[in-house]
Amino acid sequence: GQQVMQIPQYQHVQEGEDFTTYCNSSTTLSNIQWYKQRPGGHPVFLIQLVKSGEVKKQKRLTFQFGEAKKNSSLHITATQTTDVGTYFCVATLKIIFGKGTRLHILP
Amino acid sequence: EAGVAQSPRYKIIEKRQSVAFWCNPISGHATLYWYQQILGQGPKLLIQFQNNGVVDDSQLPKDRFSAERLKGVDSTLKIQPAKLEDSAVYLCASSLRQGGSPLHFGNGTRLTVT
Repeated sequence: GQQVMQIPQYQHVQEGEDFTTYCNSSTTLSNIQWYKQRPGGHPVFLIQLVKSGEVKKQKRLTFQFGEAKKNSSLHITATQTTDVGTYFCVATLKIIFGKGTRLHILP
Repeated sequence: EAGVAQSPRYKIIEKRQSVAFWCNPISGHATLYWYQQILGQGPKLLIQFQNNGVVDDSQLPKDRFSAERLKGVDSTLKIQPAKLEDSAVYLCASSLRQGGSPLHFGNGTRLTVT
């Protein structure tokens, strides 16, 4: 099945700094979904990317799908304390979650 | 729309006891998933249903875990007998269809096995 590797596993940033997490696959992905899980909460769907080279924005969050559909990234501009949590990318042919990237914000 | 409902929210049992979790997906969602999430790890897929049929149960420890979705709506996940390593949050999720639909998660059941 399609699986993805996500880096980094942990990231500490100062509030106001930018943050990026990357997803990589050895195979071409049909599409990819991103989820956010707050501490103590459940994963919440953020977005789905389908097209090669696609870029989507949600306020301070920018999602990209690579031209070859083998990688994806999530970039957060000017992080806030509300961004704390673990971000997961999921290849949708088989909904398998990896370890995600845990984001900590330093005040 | 009402979200995915799960019960109970918390459960504490002793090892070798049995436990059951219940999930009511979003109305009209054909696909239902059970995940196990151990502290600090990503959710691990245990079983996926499409209506009342099993699509994938390759990671379900079938010697102790069972799940059913008899009428294609509600689902139950059972552990019998429980082991210490089963302590985790059990998440139920549903999606409109298989492959490419967003997953909607319930609040989960936190299981502690002592």
